[in-house]
Amino acid sequence: QKEVEQNSGPLSVPEGAIASLNCTYSDRVSQSFFWYRQYSGKSPELIMSIYSNGDKEDGRFTAQLNKASQYVSLLIRDSQPSDSATYLCAVPLSNFGNEKLTFGTGTRLTIIP
Amino acid sequence: DAGVTQSPTHLIKTRGQQVTLRCSPKSGHDTVSWYQQALGQGPQFIFQYYEEEERQRGNFPDRFSGHQFPNYSSELNVNALLLGDSALYLCASSFYVGTANSPLHFGNGTRLTVT
Repeated sequence: QKEVEQNSGPLSVPEGAIASLNCTYSDRVSQSFFWYRQYSGKSPELIMSIYSNGDKEDGRFTAQLNKASQYVSLLIRDSQPSDSATYLCAVPLSNFGNEKLTFGTGTRLTIIP
Repeated sequence: DAGVTQSPTHLIKTRGQQVTLRCSPKSGHDTVSWYQQALGQGPQFIFQYYEEEERQRGNFPDRFSGHQFPNYSSELNVNALLLGDSALYLCASSFYVGTANSPLHFGNGTRLTVT
């Protein structure tokens, strides 16, 4: 089993709809979870962090964490064409805070106008 | 406020050569991490520097080495380049908050092509 798994996609969503991105991780002791957005040819950009079970909302983005199921998701409401990018789930698989992030392979999201 | 800056942006090298990549962290950050991102993959952790020392290392051979300077900037050196070293090399900076790092902020990366 990979340490951090994501569906590579591509995931196509109509403009204005909700995009749902999923991620599972293998290390039960992980305490922090991150979603990065990466446009083609660019570097990853942090969009959400979540540390506690439940939902965390920031504008159109909602991160959901279920530590018992080792599952974290990202919802994007009212999807816009500018949301088209690869979304990377990242988990620090160590006991030293946010060092040594392990990334999934990313889910490529396309918003269809 | 400048973010994380990396140089050069692109580099072409021949197998067997050596390369040095440079990174300046975001203002206020004291920790630098290096990642390698192959095409179509997520970034893979190479190593992290804090207080001029390597604190953690990923599964990369000794051909990959680094350094951190007193001003927190960092270099990544790769010796005896292989074709498989072709990738986007990302530098990320952070700072310690208590016993943990703040979230990572990435630079724009250096695209290395080995021919």
